[in-house]
Amino acid sequence: EVQLVQSGAEVKKPGESLRISCKGSGYKFTSYWISWVRQMPGKGLEWMGRIDPSDSYTNYSPSFQGHVTISVDKSISTAYLQWSSLKASDTAMYYCARPDGTSDSLDYWGQGSLVTVSS
Amino acid sequence: DIQMTQSPSSVSASVGDRVTITCRASQGISSWLAWYQQKPGKAPKLLIYAASSLQSGVPSRFSGSGSGTDFTLTITSLQPEDFATYYCQQANSFPLTFGGGTKVEIK
Repeated sequence: EVQLVQSGAEVKKPGESLRISCKGSGYKFTSYWISWVRQMPGKGLEWMGRIDPSDSYTNYSPSFQGHVTISVDKSISTAYLQWSSLKASDTAMYYCARPDGTSDSLDYWGQGSLVTVSS
Repeated sequence: DIQMTQSPSSVSASVGDRVTITCRASQGISSWLAWYQQKPGKAPKLLIYAASSLQSGVPSRFSGSGSGTDFTLTITSLQPEDFATYYCQQANSFPLTFGGGTKVEIK
């Protein structure tokens, strides 16, 4: 069974750093890109970027380029989303997701990681 | 970036109703369109890919159509478990972009 399991909820202060994770199982991790999607409270879905676990190549949305870093450790089948200096506006639910293999439709999703940034 | 515009933003409907949601792309995306259902507190669920292909396990009352710039998601005979928010997403080019969502509410 394909699963993406994300790290738990985080509460951080502005200016702090954070890395959240997404562990894949039940499939060959290096064969599918992992995307990250943001959902701010009460709002819609925003694609942030993706990473190819086989070679760590990344694509970022221009809206998120430079604000977050996507990385991967293929030895433990885990992708990461990282901030070096959080802002209150980073408060959101973050999902990792995997494409279906024939297109960039996102077939499998993690359960989400809630990040709250507040002083 | 390709902009995706969904309408309506919300719709009130009754069990058994037929519901149609539209999605328009700011430029042609061939058939590279997906539809998702999201319930409160849950991750989105893929319903339709490639504009009209039903994802495995999704009930046949869901259907998708369209190509180019104009797309439709239709739910025939709305069921209680279908009350949710629906999003379209273009998979033609990066960055991937989503529509603003359509909330299907109980009338």
